[in-house]
Parts: sequence; C-alpha cells; structure tokens
Amino acid sequence: DADVTQTPRNRITKTGKRIMLECSQTKGHDRMYWYRQDPGLGLRLIYYSFDVKDINKGEISDGYSVSRQAQAKFSLSLESAIPNQTALYFCATSGEELAGGYNEQFFGPGTRLTVL
Amino acid sequence: AQKVTQAQTEISVVEKEDVTLDCVYETRDTTYYLFWYKQPPSGELVFLIRRNSFDEQNEISGRYSWNFQKSTSSFNFTITASQVVDSAVYFCALSEEDAGGTSYGKLTFGQGTILTVHP
Repeated sequence: DADVTQTPRNRITKTGKRIMLECSQTKGHDRMYWYRQDPGLGLRLIYYSFDVKDINKGEISDGYSVSRQAQAKFSLSLESAIPNQTALYFCATSGEELAGGYNEQFFGPGTRLTVL
Repeated sequence: AQKVTQAQTEISVVEKEDVTLDCVYETRDTTYYLFWYKQPPSGELVFLIRRNSFDEQNEISGRYSWNFQKSTSSFNFTITASQVVDSAVYFCALSEEDAGGTSYGKLTFGQGTILTVHP
C-alpha cells in the first residue's frame, strides 16, 4: 500500500460547490502539506501543518481551508469552488529532521480537480 | 523571499544525448536545502536528491549528476546518455531554515522543465 494516499484521484465539480480533498499517510510523519500544481507555475504551497494543533497558511491559501483530523489525516476544502481552482493537488508529508539535515517530502499521487 | 527559477521550459533531445537542466535560486539565508524532483507522465512526484547549503560537493548517481555552485546560486542537473524513460517534468525546489534554526520544510518550487527524450 502507498504511504501517502489521496482521495478522490479525480473530481469534476461545478462552480459554487463545496469540495473536500482528503489525504492520509502511514509514514508516521508529523508534518503535512497541501500544494497545487498549475502548468508553467510549478507547485505552490496552500497550507501546512506541523502537528494536529498547528495549521499555517502557505503562499496561496485564499479560497481554501484545511483540517488536521489526526496525525495521519489532513483534508483540504474548497468552500465554494471556482474555475481557477482547477488544478492538480498534491498532499505531502515529512518527518523529523535527520541530524544536521532535513528530510525530503513524500508526495501523494495527486488529485486532479476540474471546476466547471 | 525565496525564489527558484528554471529558465528552460521545455527541452527536447534524442536518446543517448547528454542534457543539463538549469536551476537558479534566490535566498537571503545562509542555511538552506535544495531538491530535485521528477514527475513522469503518470503524474507522481519522485524525489531525486537533497543538498544542504554547506555541502558543495557535486554528486553522481548512475547517469544523474548534480552541480551545486553557491557563487552563482545554481544547482544544475545533468542526465548523461539520456533514455526515453527520462522523459518527464523535472522540478528544482528550495527550503530555507527558519530563524530558530529549524527548517520548516516548506518547499518553493521552480516552474519545472519538461524533458522529452526521443528514440
């Protein structure tokens, strides 16, 4: 089984609908992240969380909210979806830093969201 | 604010050619981390390498090599004898250390370079 899973993998919805994207991980990591990928823009950080009680806005948080239900679960919500939120969304996790270093982030498979 | 620039939007090569993907970064910190990720057509992100700012040694892993030069703020990636399976989008990313000396882990990505290797 994959270490970082995302559901759904694909979703088509209409403008104004509420959408929730879910992320679960079995890596035991404390840190979780949500990114969106747009062509030509790379990945941009939406929200991140260092533990269950810690939620922080990223570069492009407007129009999004998150919930860290447990160490292993981090959900991203679009309260009222709009067409320019059409993108590929990635969840990622990272663990405690290695001595003198920093662990890489492990990414989920992505959720392709289309807002009509 | 940190920034990562991958000036090459798309590169097309023929199999067995060598190819270099450029990455230039901006940061005010002296401690930071640089990464390369690969995104094949299937869409997942695959971690390739991590480098911290104090380690300027070049690294080679099979056909892959990385050249880190702090003097020019560059972290370039070379694929030797490219193969069709190397076709993917490649991302360079940067993570800075916070004021408390602990990396937040937030990644700033470049725009990505689409590499197409033709048979």
